[in-house]
Amino acid sequence: GAGVSQSPSNKVTEKGKDVELRCDPISGHTALYWYRQSLGQGLEFLIYFQGNSAPDKSGLPSDRFSAERTGGSVSTLTIQRTQQEDSAVYLCASSLAISSAYEQYFGPGTRLTVT
Amino acid sequence: ILNVEQSPQSLHVQEGDSTNFTCSFPSSNFYALHWYRWETAKSPEALFVMTLNGDEKKKGRISATLNTKEGYSYLYIKGSQPEDSATYLCAFITNAGGTSYGKLTFGQGTILTVHP
Repeated sequence: GAGVSQSPSNKVTEKGKDVELRCDPISGHTALYWYRQSLGQGLEFLIYFQGNSAPDKSGLPSDRFSAERTGGSVSTLTIQRTQQEDSAVYLCASSLAISSAYEQYFGPGTRLTVT
Repeated sequence: ILNVEQSPQSLHVQEGDSTNFTCSFPSSNFYALHWYRWETAKSPEALFVMTLNGDEKKKGRISATLNTKEGYSYLYIKGSQPEDSATYLCAFITNAGGTSYGKLTFGQGTILTVHP
């Protein structure tokens, strides 16, 4: 079956512009997660969704970052007024439900470069 | 801030060698530990989800053990093959505050290179 998909796969943008990153989770997965990996850093949790709600936004690095999920499916991560430190690989993952017992299935990521 | 450490940072072995690496995590408020393999140009792929002290998991030539009391997990690869070359990530989940929502705190990873 189809895995988690993300688009675009690569995005180059100028500092100060807004960007939108999209994630399509595995069908039937109610939980969706966003992570990022900056150069030389580990995977960093950003936000998770249970259905359409985001109970934990503590990982979002600043108020320039926002995310939404509609219909319990597609999610969009938006970064406003991008900065060079936003350059990273942004990964989306989904799981059957919010539970530590469920493995997470990752998408291929979006590589964001802010020039 | 949760501290999840992996060692070594990188490892080079010859085909056929057996190898192991370590993930250290807080021993209090343990809920679960995940292991993932991340090959270059691919997505991270789950290897194991471990929740019980003393748990041992095995998938082919790869196995893992868990010690929650002392806060570590070992990943073993028997008879390494070039296709095992990847970054191996562990991720910790805490039940501090009573929630167990799958928020993973990742280590920095161990980069394994298996030379033919």
